[in-house]
Amino acid sequence: SYVLTQPPSVSVAPGQTARITCGGNNIETKSVNWYQQKPGQAPVLVVYDDSDRPSGIPERFSGSNSGNTATLTINRVAAGDEADYYCQVWDSSSDHVVFGGGTKLTVL
Amino acid sequence: QVQLVESGGGVVQPGRSLRLSCVASGFSFSPYGMHWVRQAPGKGLEWVAVIWYDGSDKYHADSVKGRFTISRDNSKSTLYLQMNSLRVEDTAVYYCARAIYSNGWYPDYWGQGTLVTVSS
Repeated sequence: SYVLTQPPSVSVAPGQTARITCGGNNIETKSVNWYQQKPGQAPVLVVYDDSDRPSGIPERFSGSNSGNTATLTINRVAAGDEADYYCQVWDSSSDHVVFGGGTKLTVL
Repeated sequence: QVQLVESGGGVVQPGRSLRLSCVASGFSFSPYGMHWVRQAPGKGLEWVAVIWYDGSDKYHADSVKGRFTISRDNSKSTLYLQMNSLRVEDTAVYYCARAIYSNGWYPDYWGQGTLVTVSS
């Protein structure tokens, strides 16, 4: 089965740029989606199809996907961005959804 | 706006059954696939199952295959998850989510979840 690997944690100072990676075998051939989850809340889609943003998501959130790594980039990080972030793909060989293990973003 | 409301969670003994429901509103339910995703306490997201818009196809995670069954009633805009032979490790918040297709089915809108606790 397909595996997605994320760093458990990323820390960044306010106003700086946070980059959260998601590794997978030849992941560039898949569409990667990213979710933000704050404590006690349901996940929210922040990037879909590698780099598109749903309506209502700030332009500070962007995504890219190349080779074996997809990246969620958050510019001008604010305290309100502190959350867990999950990457996700569809594994067409099994018709299963796959999530990464999640990355806790801490704003210092 | 899109709303998904789960219900049916609670405390259940190992080996027993439970059925979760998810009522959709704010959008036309029948053209969309639907997912169940769960999250054990303090853990990450784990996908459980997906069902096609018309119920013609459904897939379950290996961890629940043969024990859980996803289904839907488009006339009631409702998604279900029948959970049999429950185990302690099935303890989690269960979310339903709408499925959107783009190089695969992915969840876009999520409900607030319902907690299932399996304990003797």
